[in-house]
Amino acid sequence: LAKTTQPISMDSYEGQEVNITCSHNNIATNDYITWYQQFPSQGPRFIIQGYKTKVTNEVASLFIPADRKSSTLSLPRVSLSDTAVYYCLVTLSGTYKYIFGTGTRLKVLA
Amino acid sequence: DVKVTQSSRYLVKRTGEKVFLECVQDMDHENMFWYRQDPGLGLRLIYFSYDVKMKEKGDIPEGYSVSREKKERFSLILESASTNQTSMYLCASSSPGQKRNEQFFGPGTRLTVL
Repeated sequence: LAKTTQPISMDSYEGQEVNITCSHNNIATNDYITWYQQFPSQGPRFIIQGYKTKVTNEVASLFIPADRKSSTLSLPRVSLSDTAVYYCLVTLSGTYKYIFGTGTRLKVLA
Repeated sequence: DVKVTQSSRYLVKRTGEKVFLECVQDMDHENMFWYRQDPGLGLRLIYFSYDVKMKEKGDIPEGYSVSREKKERFSLILESASTNQTSMYLCASSSPGQKRNEQFFGPGTRLTVL
């Protein structure tokens, strides 16, 4: 059964690129990886999803290497408002299995 | 603006009480979810519904049941609340297919069971 692991916390400075990795063993070719952002007292908010190689949208990029043992959320040029907890989600294709990671607390410093 | 609303932000109940948590979405989504969120454990899926009157167990369904009589409403029921059910409960909804992972979450209900 797939399991996801994330670093507990990370610090960064404004303007830097931040990469947060999610390790997930035993995921299949069509299993999706999704990332969410959560601020205090709010529900998580969707950032990006993909199932292979690289996906980019207006706020982030998602990299999934060929071995699919991990995925990386990349946030370009973070600002103080990016301070939040970031969760990865693995969705097993053809099932109703949704497996969230334990979250990475990102703190952006001035 | 799309919205998922939950009936209460904070709830305090006593052990053994029957507890109802309500969730309503206005996006006409087929999928609805109930998660609980605990420190160090992330979000864990309790139940999932992909259509009216349809439900699937998640990873931790024990002690919970759900009801989906209308498309926009998904209720989580704690039949007999226990202290280990003290947690943050999050409801979410999504469209089917590839969009199912783009879940829209409510603000959460923090339940304390005394």
